Amino acid sequence: AQSVTQLDSQVPVFEEAPVELRCNYSSSVSVYLFWYVQYPNQGLQLLLKYLSGSTLVKGINGFEAEFNKSQTSFHLRKPSVHISDTAEYFCAVSTIQGAQKLVFGQGTRLTINP
Amino acid sequence: KAGVTQTPRYLIKTRGQQVTLSCSPISGHRSVSWYQQTPGQGLQFLFEYFSETQRNKGNFPGRFSGRQFSNSRSEMNVSTLELGDSALYLCASSLGQGGTEAFFGQGTRLTVV
Repeated sequence: AQSVTQLDSQVPVFEEAPVELRCNYSSSVSVYLFWYVQYPNQGLQLLLKYLSGSTLVKGINGFEAEFNKSQTSFHLRKPSVHISDTAEYFCAVSTIQGAQKLVFGQGTRLTINP
Repeated sequence: KAGVTQTPRYLIKTRGQQVTLSCSPISGHRSVSWYQQTPGQGLQFLFEYFSETQRNKGNFPGRFSGRQFSNSRSEMNVSTLELGDSALYLCASSLGQGGTEAFFGQGTRLTVV
């Protein structure tokens, strides 16, 4: 079975400051890794994903994440945040064997203060 | 390209009733997955359908069921509703291979009173 832990339930930052949202996972098999964003009253939108290859993954809206296999982590970063980045962020994993089943972390609420 | 459409957006039901939610995937997508989102439990996988067959199932009671039609549209049904079934139900569609992006609908907000 897989599990995902997002280490911070809430992260407040000032506008234009850098941010890191932390994610650790546990799995006995190889997994794919994802970060999704959810704006109020919306579904989830994919920010980025790691399937294989380069461990630094770039996504939409200036976000990037780094896969660290030894630490089983997939932290999300952005060098300079904007008010519009206020949302809930979810880290998720799925196994490589076919079926589309995402296991999500509990989410991190990112609040940007002006 | 039209996105994933879920209907209805909001629903209020009484304990003991049953409810059916609908999801129309992106054209060409054969996989539809359902998730339940609550403040306490977060996002939990309900089940996935691929080409009309249930391919994977989460840890929910048998009151939760689903089906997929030949045009890939999917429905999920919850019978004998309980207060704890109040949640945002999200549907996601994808091509179905591991690692492919899942596109989410806006969800159906179910309130059980």
